[in-house]
Amino acid sequence: EAQVTQNPRYLITVTGKKLTVTCSQNMNHEYMSWYRQDPGLGLRQIYYSMNVEVTDKGDVPEGYKVSRKEKRNFPLILESPSPNQTSLYFCASSERGNEQYFGPGTRLTVT
Amino acid sequence: SQQGEEDPQALSIQEGENATMNCSYKTSINNLQWYRQNSGRGLVHLILIRSNEREKHSGRLRVTLDTSKKSSSLLITASRAADTASYFCAIDQGGKLIFGQGTELSVKP
Repeated sequence: EAQVTQNPRYLITVTGKKLTVTCSQNMNHEYMSWYRQDPGLGLRQIYYSMNVEVTDKGDVPEGYKVSRKEKRNFPLILESPSPNQTSLYFCASSERGNEQYFGPGTRLTVT
Repeated sequence: SQQGEEDPQALSIQEGENATMNCSYKTSINNLQWYRQNSGRGLVHLILIRSNEREKHSGRLRVTLDTSKKSSSLLITASRAADTASYFCAIDQGGKLIFGQGTELSVKP
């Protein structure tokens, strides 16, 4: 089954404790992206990747890192999480210029 | 802001009625996409319309695009209670995808 998976689905952590949210797709898509969704602000793009070893900043990249060492995986790294990064995070993938397939979301709480 | 702007923010209709949502944007686009989201869940793609297209249909959905006015609309005909969800437009600027804040649609049985 074609899908985008994210782990973990729920995470509660404390300020400053490094964490990684994994994202994996099985559709051989070149393009992958991370978004955060906050009430009243819609979805905002954090980082995106057009292909392996190619990443670009979206609208809200501060406080986040990504890597694209292989086509199927695109982890999101928070080196020192802060409470303002409490949010619902979505990973997505697509063929370039086509519709995106979204993962189920990761609900992160930073206390 | 380059963000797509959606109108209305919320829409409440009766089952069987049509629902129209609008999206406006400010920059040139490669394509414009519409997505649906049920509360707190992942987004599901509905329709993608390219910059050289004017109208697209998919089942009960009809999307129009007017690049001269930088606007798009999503029409859901003969709505059902199961159509209750948030609907988002997204503007593809060649890799960077900019989402609108969404329209919350409520369809009452």
